Amino acid sequence: SAVISQKPSRDICQRGTSLTIQCQVDSQVTMMFWYRQQPGQSLTLIATANQGSEATYESGFVIDKFPISRPNLTFSTLTVSNMSPEDSSIYLCSVEEGQQRGYGYTFGSGTRLTVV
Amino acid sequence: DQQVKQNSPSLSVQEGRISILNCDYTNSMFDYFLWYKKYPAEGPTFLISISSIKDKNEDGRFTVFLNKSAKHLSLHIVPSQPGDSAVYFCAASFTGANSKLTFGKGITLSVRP
Repeated sequence: SAVISQKPSRDICQRGTSLTIQCQVDSQVTMMFWYRQQPGQSLTLIATANQGSEATYESGFVIDKFPISRPNLTFSTLTVSNMSPEDSSIYLCSVEEGQQRGYGYTFGSGTRLTVV
Repeated sequence: DQQVKQNSPSLSVQEGRISILNCDYTNSMFDYFLWYKKYPAEGPTFLISISSIKDKNEDGRFTVFLNKSAKHLSLHIVPSQPGDSAVYFCAASFTGANSKLTFGKGITLSVRP
């Protein structure tokens, strides 16, 4: 299965600043997904990132707050902009394995963000 | 509106016994279901999946059962081992959803030696 390197693994940031999270995949993938897990909550999809086109955002998430780049088929970044304590979460990137649905998804190890 | 629900936040079982993790869903369009396991400081790891055309899928110690009429699925782990202690997420998707997954909140399983 694909191997995803996600960094940073954790960070403590001041409110009002921005943090960019990187995900590198060891194989080419069409779609990459960015999720957020707030404390005690489920994983929530932020956006889907396709190479060569703008990311598709889910309800409640906007590009100005969470800009995403997808410069090639193995790499993507998510920026959390103008952070507030409510942005303290674990952020994860994910890719879908294989051509058939039985393979599931692979996740990065996550970025634990604390905003103070 | 939580479309995938894992109503029990935690479960504790004795090593060697069966662990049963439950999941309910409300969206009848879901046709593909997955279970993920997550250890602390790691991303979720795919465990097992089931399509809505089946009612059971087995992989070693892990079996997932799907009851479409009740909109309910369960993950059975037999026998449970201490290394199974983790958070288990139920997830669902449907054809045409552009591969999006909807997750439950997770269940923390503790297997006592």
